Amino acid sequence: GAVVSQHPSWVICKSGTSVKIECRSLDFQATTMFWYRQFPKQSLMLMATSNEGSKATYEQGVEKDKFLINHASLTLSTLTVTSAHPEDSSFYICSARDLGRAFYEQYFGPGTRLTVT
Amino acid sequence: DQQVKQNSPSLSVQEGRISILNCDYTNSMFDYFLWYKKYPAEGPTFLISISSIKDKNEDGRFTVFLNKSAKHLSLHIVPSQPGDSAVYFCAASGNTPLVFGKGTRLSVIA
Repeated sequence: GAVVSQHPSWVICKSGTSVKIECRSLDFQATTMFWYRQFPKQSLMLMATSNEGSKATYEQGVEKDKFLINHASLTLSTLTVTSAHPEDSSFYICSARDLGRAFYEQYFGPGTRLTVT
Repeated sequence: DQQVKQNSPSLSVQEGRISILNCDYTNSMFDYFLWYKKYPAEGPTFLISISSIKDKNEDGRFTVFLNKSAKHLSLHIVPSQPGDSAVYFCAASGNTPLVFGKGTRLSVIA
């Protein structure tokens, strides 16, 4: 149990376009979802926390108008990178927390590799 | 300010020997610590965790030790196997979203 999927697993887009990444909890209800990004040889950096039905909370330094997060249902959250630039190229990972679980009980998706050309 | 530090970016160990991965933290509000294993282009996989009320937790070949006074934890893998080769991340939480270290790349040599 506790499977989280991401789609797509990799995407290449042109500079200036937008790209949407989906994160789904397949066998549980994810009241909270987290979005991370990882640069090569770097840590997983938390970008934002989203609770179902409410606005996402963004970490300091993350542009909320550039990284749009929607958590409209208990099983789906989306991250849209708007007007992508090459510096947005990174590995994006989502995780999900089940209702009533502690913050540390997160299940991670397989990640999405974004390359902006 | 890095709250969770993994000062060794890489570690090589011979198959069958013990691997010891270290992690230091600065935030005294952290009360739960986790280790994840990660392969390239994949999400992290949970390995083992420890609560701050304990100083040791063991699961098969994996043991995590916590020294609260030193704000230090370590992951021991024994015996190490080639399939253990991956990047290992230490993470911490104080009823907050996880904070990750930069990871240590473990290479187990046959």
